Amino acid sequence: NAGVTQTPKFQVLKTGQSMTLQCAQDMNHNSMYWYRQDPGMGLRLIYYSASEGTTDKGEVPNGYNVSRLNKREFSLRLESAAPSQTSVYFCASTRGGSGANVLTFGAGSRLTVL
Amino acid sequence: DAKTTQPNSMESNEEEPVHLPCNHSTISGTDYIHWYRQLPSQGPEYVIHGLTSNVNNRMASLAIAEDRKSSTLILHRATLRDAAVYYCILSNFGNEKLTFGTGTRLTIIP
Repeated sequence: NAGVTQTPKFQVLKTGQSMTLQCAQDMNHNSMYWYRQDPGMGLRLIYYSASEGTTDKGEVPNGYNVSRLNKREFSLRLESAAPSQTSVYFCASTRGGSGANVLTFGAGSRLTVL
Repeated sequence: DAKTTQPNSMESNEEEPVHLPCNHSTISGTDYIHWYRQLPSQGPEYVIHGLTSNVNNRMASLAIAEDRKSSTLILHRATLRDAAVYYCILSNFGNEKLTFGTGTRLTIIP
C-alpha cells in the first residue's frame, strides 16, 4: 500500500518563483492536510480539506493556496516563494467524520527558497 | 479549540520505562486523545489513541486520567529507536482542523 505520496521530495527555488507540491492518497480518505515544519519546530497546519470540494485555512495560510482536485489529491501552491517558506512540508490524510480516525502522513517535501 | 500542553524535552535511560505526560484541561467529552511520534528525518506516525479507558497496543500504552484532563503515554522499555518527538493531539467528530503543538523531544541515553 502506497498510503500518502508526496512529490517532489526535494526542491530548490529562487525567491519569487512559483511551484506546486502534490499529494495523493490511496486509502479513500475524506480529509487531507498540509503542514509545514521548520527546523527544530513542531508541525503547523497550513490548510486542510475536510471533504472533496472544501478547503479551509489552518494556522499559517498566508502565502499559500490549495486545491482539492478530487478525493485522492490535494495540492499546495506557492505563488511567489519567499525564503521564510523554506521548510519541510508534510501532507496527511484521515478518513474523517470521527475523532477515532488516525492521520497517515507522507514522507515530506523539503523546500529551500534562496 | 481544545489544546494540549507537553514538556519540551525528556530524557530516559535505555531499557527503562518512559512516561510522557500531556495536559488537555479544556478537553470536551467527545474529544479523542491521539499520540503520534516523529523519528528523525521522517514524517509523523501514529502511536495510539483513546477516549476514556486506558489503551494498550504493541507500541505503547495510554493512561487517561479519570477526569480526562491529562494523559500519559507509556513506553514500557525504551530503546534507542524510540528517540523521537512525541505529539499529543485531540480529535473530535465535526472538527477536522487537527493542530499539533511542539511535542516532547525524547532522548534515550544508552
